[in-house]
Amino acid sequence: NAGVMQNPRHLVRRRGQEARLRCSPMKGHSHVYWYRQLPEEGLKFMVYLQKENIIDESGMPKERFSAEFPKEGPSILRIQQVVRGDSAAYFCASSPTLGPGGTEAFFGQGTRLTVV
Amino acid sequence: GQQVMQIPQYQHVQEGEDFTTYCNSSTTLSNIQWYKQRPGGHPVFLIQLVKSGEVKKQKRLTFQFGEAKKNSSLHITATQTTDVGTYFCAGRPGNTGKLIFGQGTTLQVKP
Repeated sequence: NAGVMQNPRHLVRRRGQEARLRCSPMKGHSHVYWYRQLPEEGLKFMVYLQKENIIDESGMPKERFSAEFPKEGPSILRIQQVVRGDSAAYFCASSPTLGPGGTEAFFGQGTRLTVV
Repeated sequence: GQQVMQIPQYQHVQEGEDFTTYCNSSTTLSNIQWYKQRPGGHPVFLIQLVKSGEVKKQKRLTFQFGEAKKNSSLHITATQTTDVGTYFCAGRPGNTGKLIFGQGTTLQVKP
């Protein structure tokens, strides 16, 4: 059972371009989370999705950022018109259906986005 | 908004010394989880606590969940260089599925 797969591992974009980050959750996992991490900082929650639904996007900037988790295929975090401040590591995590106490999240290796 | 705070931000210890990191939430958590991230790596799940007052041990690591389910701690006895990394607590406020992380405590261990 492969772990959470994120690609690309490293992404370089020029200012104004679009960045598309992909995340394939573990098999059987229907919950996906996206986090952003700046160097020497913590994991900032961005968005929580289930298949075909955005459950909570309270951590996502209102403009330029969007996320989806379609019925088929990976979850996508899309950043339009990137700026230098978007440079960060973006981590995706997945978990199976939540039980009453919740379950652990399995993280991907992350995508390091550099905007030049 | 819902916040999970962690202290200290950094801790430098001599190998063999103990280490503790504390986690506090502004709201009651349905559970608390702990993760470890090695430098350059990704967070890896360590443990989950669900019950009020729960204490769990993993070898030299002891995890506690407060009675009010709003705070938690991780204590490492006799640190080793392999303990180096950043330790994060994470919780789901109320009954939401959203998983919120603390800022993390970065542990450095001097041999």
